[in-house]
Amino acid sequence: NAGVTQTPKFRVLKTGQSMTLLCAQDMNHEYMYWYRQDPGMGLRLIHYSVGEGTTAKGEVPDGYNVSRLKKQNFLLGLESAAPSQTSVYFCASSYSGTYYEQYFGPGTRLTVT
Amino acid sequence: GEDVEQSLFLSVREGDSSVINCTYTDSSSTYLYWYKQEPGAGLQLLTYIFSNMDMKQDQRLTVLLNKKDKHLSLRIADTQTGDSAIYFCAESRGNNNDMRFGAGTRLTVKP
Repeated sequence: NAGVTQTPKFRVLKTGQSMTLLCAQDMNHEYMYWYRQDPGMGLRLIHYSVGEGTTAKGEVPDGYNVSRLKKQNFLLGLESAAPSQTSVYFCASSYSGTYYEQYFGPGTRLTVT
Repeated sequence: GEDVEQSLFLSVREGDSSVINCTYTDSSSTYLYWYKQEPGAGLQLLTYIFSNMDMKQDQRLTVLLNKKDKHLSLRIADTQTGDSAIYFCAESRGNNNDMRFGAGTRLTVKP
């Protein structure tokens, strides 16, 4: 089992460019999440999904879009990147939406110049 | 909003005990968690405790919960260099989509 994988590991974007971060899990988990981690702050939830074809907003959804076309994949899109989106992005998945352990990917470090 | 706070740094000598503290503000918190993040890796769940418990022990790890003061601590006995990592405290009312994380405590273990 690879667990939760994220692609790419690093990326540098110019302001206004777009990109998609890919998260994949091979544990047949229903729930998937995208977080961002900023220095001196805890992880903040951007969007999440409770199953294939569903998405919902988290705490900080502005500037991001997501899609869950396949159960194993959760994509995070930035349509027009801004310097404020410089962060480390973590994807996670869980079997259920309540107290079950979340499994995290290794993260994507994104810099927007 | 509700906050989770932790000190940012802790340094200990190998073999000593480490105590990482966390405070939270949401009195409705049901589950409290400790995650560990090693360099270049994602967060990994270390342990968790339900809000109706005072203490939980798991090998070298002891979690203490003072619900009245909204204070959570993680004690690592006989700390090893492999324990060097960032430790995140988190709490929720039960749904993973409403978890709140602290900023993380970077534990450095010196030989």
